[in-house]
Amino acid sequence: GDSVTQMEGPVTLSEEAFLTINCTYTATGYPSLFWYVQYPGEGLQLLLKATKADDKGSNKGFEATYRKETTSFHLEKGSVQVSDSAVYFCALSADANDYKLSFGAGTTVTVRA
Amino acid sequence: DTGVSQNPRHKITKRGQNVTFRCDPISEHNRLYWYRQTLGQGPEFLTYFQNEAQLEKSRLLSDRFSAERPKGSFSTLEIQRTEQGDSAMYLCASSLGLGGDTQYFGPGTRLTVL
Repeated sequence: GDSVTQMEGPVTLSEEAFLTINCTYTATGYPSLFWYVQYPGEGLQLLLKATKADDKGSNKGFEATYRKETTSFHLEKGSVQVSDSAVYFCALSADANDYKLSFGAGTTVTVRA
Repeated sequence: DTGVSQNPRHKITKRGQNVTFRCDPISEHNRLYWYRQTLGQGPEFLTYFQNEAQLEKSRLLSDRFSAERPKGSFSTLEIQRTEQGDSAMYLCASSLGLGGDTQYFGPGTRLTVL
């Protein structure tokens, strides 16, 4: 079935460092791709999304580009802050008629001052 | 609107007991979803509703699980004869009902089965 595989954590880095979290997907159709974030003590919230190939989602300095040729949706941020410490989940919905989300296992990111 | 709410936030029960969770979605959202998340894993889809109709159920949803959304507003998830393996965070989400649209998640109900 449709699924996502994301980079295992935990990831620890210093403030202002560059962050990349890899995510690849397997899908038979044309999925929509998402990054969700879970800050400590809070619920899941959408960080960004892309609904078709070559789309770039961006929010709060994070970016991810939907690459059909490499079936990837890697998350990047050029300069992280302590407040970016969270668990990041890559997810997909298989196509426009399939509404459930399939999530990766999550990547825990800790940013040190 | 304050977003998706779930009650209770925490539930501790003994094996064999029945439990029921409630989810109140964002008011104008037609779709409502239930997911389960175990420690160190991403959420796994359980079921979803379009208004009051339950349109899809995961194989994870055994016969001991039942979900309802009687008037197309709030939803309940009941687990009968709980087992220790049911211990998890149960998440509810809602969305407007368009393909690829954003799902907004509630804070979850953490179930511990002793």
